[in-house]
Amino acid sequence: AQKITQTQPGMFVQEKEAVTLDCTYDTSDQSYGLFWYKQPSSGEMIFLIYQGSYDEQNATEGRYSLNFQKARKSANLVISASQLGDSAMYFCAMRELPSGYSTLTFGKGTMLLVSP
Amino acid sequence: DAGVTQSPTHLIKTRGQQVTLRCSPKSGHDTVSWYQQALGQGPQFIFQYYEEEERQRGNFPDRFSGHQFPNYSSELNVNALLLGDSALYLCASRRQGNYGYTFGSGTRLTVV
Repeated sequence: AQKITQTQPGMFVQEKEAVTLDCTYDTSDQSYGLFWYKQPSSGEMIFLIYQGSYDEQNATEGRYSLNFQKARKSANLVISASQLGDSAMYFCAMRELPSGYSTLTFGKGTMLLVSP
Repeated sequence: DAGVTQSPTHLIKTRGQQVTLRCSPKSGHDTVSWYQQALGQGPQFIFQYYEEEERQRGNFPDRFSGHQFPNYSSELNVNALLLGDSALYLCASRRQGNYGYTFGSGTRLTVV
């Protein structure tokens, strides 16, 4: 079973609008972390935002916010005021600690295209 | 402050050959993980090195092996290359105990 599910293969948004990228996860652990990364065509994974499972408030980093709904096991990324440079692949990932060593499990990603 | 450095950036190999990819972690980081990202997919965890030992391994065959050196840099070796090994190989480093991962730009391997 997939641990990270991103159901939107592609999303289109106009510049300056807000967009939400969906992510649901599956884990039986109490302690875990959720990440969002941006991957432009260059290939590098760029860290955007992190939410720990015990964090009571939703994480925010500039134009990025994470809508964390623990009971629903969802961790959606909200990008406010989209810019042309936001066009890229976006990956949701979960940090788990099997045997005490943290690893990341990624979803399949969502391609975001921002139009003028 | 240099981030994660990977070399080479691109590589073309023939089926059956062996390949070595290299990674220098971000300054201050001591743990290195390797990921394979096939076209159109998310990265898949291969293995993680800490204190020069493999600490965690994903679902990859023994053809995939690695090494970590005393300066924390790491190598990924793949033997008996298959066409299906064609992918972007990403290295990620972090400081043990911290959750912050830093990724390199990857090595794009093409097997023909």
